[in-house]
Amino acid sequence: AQKITQTQPGMFVQEKEAVTLDCTYDTSDQSYGLFWYKQPSSGEMIFLIYQGSYDEQNATEGRYSLNFQKARKSANLVISASQLGDSAMYFCAMREGLVKAAGNKLTFGGGTRVLVKP
Amino acid sequence: GAGVSQSPRYKVAKRGQDVALRCDPISGHVSLFWYQQALGQGPEFLTYFQNEAQLDKSGLPSDRFFAERPEGSVSTLKIQRTQQEDSAVYLCASSLWAGTSNQPQHFGDGTRLSIL
Repeated sequence: AQKITQTQPGMFVQEKEAVTLDCTYDTSDQSYGLFWYKQPSSGEMIFLIYQGSYDEQNATEGRYSLNFQKARKSANLVISASQLGDSAMYFCAMREGLVKAAGNKLTFGGGTRVLVKP
Repeated sequence: GAGVSQSPRYKVAKRGQDVALRCDPISGHVSLFWYQQALGQGPEFLTYFQNEAQLDKSGLPSDRFFAERPEGSVSTLKIQRTQQEDSAVYLCASSLWAGTSNQPQHFGDGTRLSIL
């Protein structure tokens, strides 16, 4: 089974509108972290936002917010007031087993390509 | 430097050649990770270092892949006897300390490897 599922391969969004990118995850660990990264065409992976499994409030970072629904195992990214520069691939990733001494690798989903239209 | 630096940016090699990819992490970052990203897919974990110790190499696809970080700073990913399926972008990431839950991994621009 996929650990991270992003069901939207691509999306169009009008400039200045909000867009929601879906992410569902699968883990048996109680302690884990969820991350969203942006990857423009230049290739770099840019960290956007983090949500810990024990965080009671949804994370927010500027125009980015995370709709975390733990019981449903979903961590959707909301981008408000979209800008042309938001056009990129967006990846959801999970880090499991935070109490473990080693590892803490990220497991990524397949990504969602967002294209912002002027 | 300010960010994670990877070199070369692009590498073309003939099948069967050996290649070496370099990663210079953010100064002071203890943890270093290598990922492989195939075209149109998300990155996949290869290996992880904590300082100079390679603590997890479970993602290395074969014994042709070898990584080292001898002084706990710069890391090199070596691929021996390259094959066409090795063509991908290789991403390096570093973080202050992997054991801290909310520490993000900071990525370099990657090395795009093409095997002819």
